[in-house]
Amino acid sequence: DAGVIQSPRHEVTEMGQEVTLRCKPISGHDYLFWYRQTMMRGLELLIYFNNNVPIDDSGMPEDRFSAKMPNASFSTLKIQPSEPRDSAVYFCAISGGVREQYFGPGTRLTVT
Amino acid sequence: AQSVTQLGSHVSVSEGALVLLRCNYSSSVPPYLFWYVQYPNQGLQLLLKYTSAATLVKGINGFEAEFKKSETSFHLTKPSAHMSDAAEYFCAVSPAGAGGTSYGKLTFGQGTILTVHP
Repeated sequence: DAGVIQSPRHEVTEMGQEVTLRCKPISGHDYLFWYRQTMMRGLELLIYFNNNVPIDDSGMPEDRFSAKMPNASFSTLKIQPSEPRDSAVYFCAISGGVREQYFGPGTRLTVT
Repeated sequence: AQSVTQLGSHVSVSEGALVLLRCNYSSSVPPYLFWYVQYPNQGLQLLLKYTSAATLVKGINGFEAEFKKSETSFHLTKPSAHMSDAAEYFCAVSPAGAGGTSYGKLTFGQGTILTVHP
């Protein structure tokens, strides 16, 4: 988990509420990735950035999801409005030397 | 396009026994291959990587994997399992040299849960 801080670690919210997940890479990197992990669907890539610019958002499930990266040290993933099916663990990852990625500890989201 | 298939969603071994986790890949270009481990309530941690150098790759915690192009495989092994090896393991592939929107992306397998019995 070294190199990426995610907050909050756990989030419980009610359906319809806005949820913002945060990612703070500690060290320099070129790429930042957002993933979602569920038992049913496994690990899914949602979106990724290169030098703070979104490159591929084809994994974003629907318009309720949005992601931003205002600078190299901060990114957010927002869900508005949230639904129970959004319950999952959301990971942020950064790129390493040769395509490897380093993951944060994740945010466990529960939408009731 | 690339894909990864991990054979066996669950593998159970006794402590001290050989660990073998299977991964087969499909890639239209030479691949980079990775194994990650995920302990409960944690993120994925890189175990080892193949980047077209030596075909036998050694990683952390005594794990190693061998790239076999003819078999399109990248199986993960450890000679002697330890209780602390119990976790979920993911194989991943990235297309070497790819540009555009594929660069930097990893395609993950569905994961294999390793259980180690005393």
